[in-house]
Formats: sequence, C-alpha cells, structure tokens
Amino acid sequence: EPEVTQTPSHQVTQMGQEVILRCVPISNHLYFYWYRQILGQKVEFLVSFYNNEISEKSEIFDDQFSVERPDGSNFTLKIRSTKLEDSAMYFCASTVLAGGAYNEQFFGPGTRLTVL
Amino acid sequence: AQTVTQSQPEMSVQEAETVTLSCTYDTSENNYYLFWYKQPPSRQMILVIRQEAYKQQNATENRFSVNFQKAAKSFSLKISDSQLGDTAMYFCAFMKPDSGAQKLVFGQGTRLTINP
Repeated sequence: EPEVTQTPSHQVTQMGQEVILRCVPISNHLYFYWYRQILGQKVEFLVSFYNNEISEKSEIFDDQFSVERPDGSNFTLKIRSTKLEDSAMYFCASTVLAGGAYNEQFFGPGTRLTVL
Repeated sequence: AQTVTQSQPEMSVQEAETVTLSCTYDTSENNYYLFWYKQPPSRQMILVIRQEAYKQQNATENRFSVNFQKAAKSFSLKISDSQLGDTAMYFCAFMKPDSGAQKLVFGQGTRLTINP
C-alpha cells in the first residue's frame, strides 16, 4: 500500500543552521501539508501546498520557512536559520485533492528535528 | 478559530477491556468533520474513524465507535475488546471541509497503553 515517506527520521543541527526536511507524498496526490508537534504540545498546521504554490499557511510559517516541490516526487520544508524553538517533530501529509468533498490526509512517520 | 481539547494525557487498560477517550471542540461552524487518528510508536498517524457533523448516527468501524454529541461539542472514541496493537497515541482532530486547504486542527493527544 502506498505510503508517505520522510527523511531523515532524526535531524540534529546547530542553532542558525539551515535544514531541509524531505517528504515523498503518495504519487497520485496533489495536495501536500506540513504539520509540526513540539514535545508535549498539539500537532499544529504549518502550510498547505497545491499546484506549485502555497494555498494556506499558519502564523507559525514565517519568513524563515519555505516549501518547495523541486521535482515530481519530493516535497521539502526548509528552515533557513534554525532556532531552539524549532525543535519538534515535523509531519508531512498528502491527499488526493482538497476543497469541497472530504479527502483523507495520509501522514508520514515524521522527522524529529533537534536544534542545539 | 477552532480548538480541540483532549483532557486525558494518558490512559491504561487491560487487554479485552473497553476504553473511552474523550475529546471536546469549539467551533461556530455547522458543517465540519471530526476524526480520530492513531499513531503507534515510531509509526505513521493513521485514520481510525471519521464523523460528518451533519450525520446524527454515530460512526462505527469494527471495534471502534464514536459518541458524537453536537450540541455539547463532544466527540469521544470507544474501543471495545481492546488489543495490544491498540497501544498508541490517539489524536482527535477537526476539519472544515469547504476550506480550500482542508487543514486539520488537532488535540493534544492521549497516550493509550493496553496491558496484557
């Protein structure tokens, strides 16, 4: 059964460094998401992406964050200059389509980002 | 803005027992979806069950059922005949279906342990 995959599973970085988290959504899906979960807190929506552009973003998704679909399979989240408070589990999700009728979101296993 | 609250951080029951996980939410919307997601240790979040707000009948999926109380804004998950494989983090989530991105709003999660 097709799955969303994410790499790496754990990323450790120094404060101020750039990180790129990678996701491979399910192949026929068109809508992509990033969520994050700071330890002990709720899973929070960061951004959604459709047709090569951001369709919605949260207040968390500031200028330090960017998303890209560099090729036909990968979907990336870049944090330009990491802060201690960026330490969290980052989840990628994808769905066939959004808007109107319901479509299930399928999640990846997450990347644990630790900023030192 | 919508909020989702899970008041039970952890629960533990014996195998074969029935367990109920609580979830409350706050919204001014009339049309929405509610979900329970399961996240086994080190695995993807997977959808357990969903409920459309316009449906009065409670959703059921095998051993999993919900008690949806729209007026009270309550959405609990009942797991009958619990199994060791039900051990996981369980997240309650809300979604507006007519918003373009269909982002999910999550609760804090309940860590459920099934003991042999």
